[in-house]
Amino acid sequence: KNQVEQSPQSLIILEGKNCTLQCNYTVSPFSNLRWYKQDTGRGPVSLTIMTFSENTKSNGRYTATLDADTKQSSLHITASQLSDSASYICVVSANTGNQFYFGTGTSLTVIP
Amino acid sequence: DTEVTQTPKHLVMGMTNKKSLKCEQHMGHRAMYWYKQKAKKPPELMFVYSYEKLSINESVPSRFSPECPNSSLLNLHLHALQPEDSALYLCASSPPPGTSQGKNEQFFGPGTRLTVL
Repeated sequence: KNQVEQSPQSLIILEGKNCTLQCNYTVSPFSNLRWYKQDTGRGPVSLTIMTFSENTKSNGRYTATLDADTKQSSLHITASQLSDSASYICVVSANTGNQFYFGTGTSLTVIP
Repeated sequence: DTEVTQTPKHLVMGMTNKKSLKCEQHMGHRAMYWYKQKAKKPPELMFVYSYEKLSINESVPSRFSPECPNSSLLNLHLHALQPEDSALYLCASSPPPGTSQGKNEQFFGPGTRLTVL
């Protein structure tokens, strides 16, 4: 069964600290994995996308890693800011057409 | 143009009203999607259109009626909704499989916040 699981479900960190979010998947055949940031009441905005051959991808203070062997991905946020408070969703695409599998998301709260 | 637009941003309607949500993209994408998202939950797939034809209907009640008039537009017609249908409705699009340098990508609009009274 194609599934995407994220952890932790929620996270509270102090401004300026780093954090790492996890995503495990069983989607097959794998096409790519995407991390989205979603502010409350807004549409998801793409942070990174990685295909099978990519191990790491950075976008400013966001760095995503992918281990295709263990089917795990992480999103590392460096020097967090209050504006990083949002839900972070991991979405895995299957290589069988328009099939996208969503994780349940991690709710991140950055406090001053 | 590299974005998906949705109108309106907010919609409040009664249970007897008829309204429509609109989604538009000009990226040449040939797959378009409607999602429903409740608070603190991931988006739930409702419909998928591929090349202007309905390809997936996730057992959505008939009070939601999708329409794809052309490759750039996607509508969601609403009629006789229930209060539990209140949610954020997201539209997304993706290029045809095999394009976009091998990456099967999905682009989301900002959503329509729907409240049913």
